Amino acid sequence: GESVGLHLPTLSVQEGDNSIINCAYSNSASDYFIWYKQESGKGPQFIIDIRSNMDKRQGQRVTVLLNKTVKHLSLQIAATQPGDSAVYFCAENRGSGNTPLVFGKGTRLSVIA
Amino acid sequence: SAVISQKPSRDICQRGTSLTIQCQVDSQVTMMFWYRQQPGQSLTLIATANQGSEATYESGFVIDKFPISRPNLTFSTLTVSNMSPEDSSIYLCSVALPGGGGGYTFGSGTRLTVV
Repeated sequence: GESVGLHLPTLSVQEGDNSIINCAYSNSASDYFIWYKQESGKGPQFIIDIRSNMDKRQGQRVTVLLNKTVKHLSLQIAATQPGDSAVYFCAENRGSGNTPLVFGKGTRLSVIA
Repeated sequence: SAVISQKPSRDICQRGTSLTIQCQVDSQVTMMFWYRQQPGQSLTLIATANQGSEATYESGFVIDKFPISRPNLTFSTLTVSNMSPEDSSIYLCSVALPGGGGGYTFGSGTRLTVV
């Protein structure tokens, strides 16, 4: 079937290596950021989030780094596995949970076994 | 976390017809958001649906083309009206988790193909 991310930038990583996916956000007033993973035929799945009062947050095998000075967000995936192959989106939000997310362009991660 | 049931998961429709997409949430939420994801693209917000009032549409999207209903705090529909091949996309609904923060949940999406 049709695949999401046909025209997106692609990052190819060897299985077991670490992956770093970058995102530039646009709104300096954004105070909440989320990384999503989207597999073909599925909706985006929450990976990790970070608020603007933090520079770094760690989860299981994932770390998000936030640089507010240059409005840059990155997602680091440790020991990348074939199951990590997907399209990754960053999203930003300003305000409460009653405001919508604004999504970045996305990056397709391809894990080479 | 909230669970969203979205349907249909996919459909192939004739141009000029309309399709209504449904999203059911397993908890009450104030706002529901509808997105469009064109092939190979990111998600673009269509509108924000608040129960009891008219939806708020983003630039480039109008109510006549994408009417939205929000009859209660757990349900919403998006209709894609008078479809053309350019409407072929994935349509997704989303809600913010109760209490704010902690991520937003998405439905599994409706893959629409207009022929």
